Amino acid sequence: GNSVTQMEGPVTLSEEAFLTINCTYTATGYPSLFWYVQYPGEGLQLLLKATKADDKGSNKGFEATYRKETTSFHLEKGSVQVSDSAVYFCALYRPTGNQFYFGTGTSLTVIP
Amino acid sequence: DVKVTQSSRYLVKRTGEKVFLECVQDMDHENMFWYRQDPGLGLRLIYFSYDVKMKEKGDIPEGYSVSREKKERFSLILESASTNQTSMYLCASSFWSQGKNTEAFFGQGTRLTVV
Repeated sequence: GNSVTQMEGPVTLSEEAFLTINCTYTATGYPSLFWYVQYPGEGLQLLLKATKADDKGSNKGFEATYRKETTSFHLEKGSVQVSDSAVYFCALYRPTGNQFYFGTGTSLTVIP
Repeated sequence: DVKVTQSSRYLVKRTGEKVFLECVQDMDHENMFWYRQDPGLGLRLIYFSYDVKMKEKGDIPEGYSVSREKKERFSLILESASTNQTSMYLCASSFWSQGKNTEAFFGQGTRLTVV
């Protein structure tokens, strides 16, 4: 079946620290991969996406590379800010079935 | 910008009540989804719809039904609310893509408390 596994949280970092949130997926074929961010009390917003192997999605200093050989899409940021505190969700989409599959979310808190 | 609007941010309902959660999108998307979000469980798909009057069960449809009479509107119905349906409910929409270049757009969420 299709599924997304992401690292458990919560994650607490100091400002300007390096961030990695791991995400691996299981899917047949070639899904699209996404990272969504959810700020407190809000819905999910798309952070970045990649649609094929070796694509790199990037936005607001965050990056993730679609690695088909390791079925991974790890989220990274070189220097986090307090404003990055949120819950991050990894997700995949397969046209067959027309559904999105989400990980359980990783809560990030950045302290000054 | 795509806008997905949920009718309420917060709702408090009594056990046994029939509850309607409304969602409207303004980008002519074919697909609409209802998820519930609970701590430690992430997003779980309740129902989705890929066209007017069409609906498909997701992973946890029990106790819920949906209605899609118009393309832009997707309603989630709790037939008889129970305390274990206290949760954050998220509506999303997307355009259908035979390729993979699509994304889900989310509403702001409705936090439902059943007492």
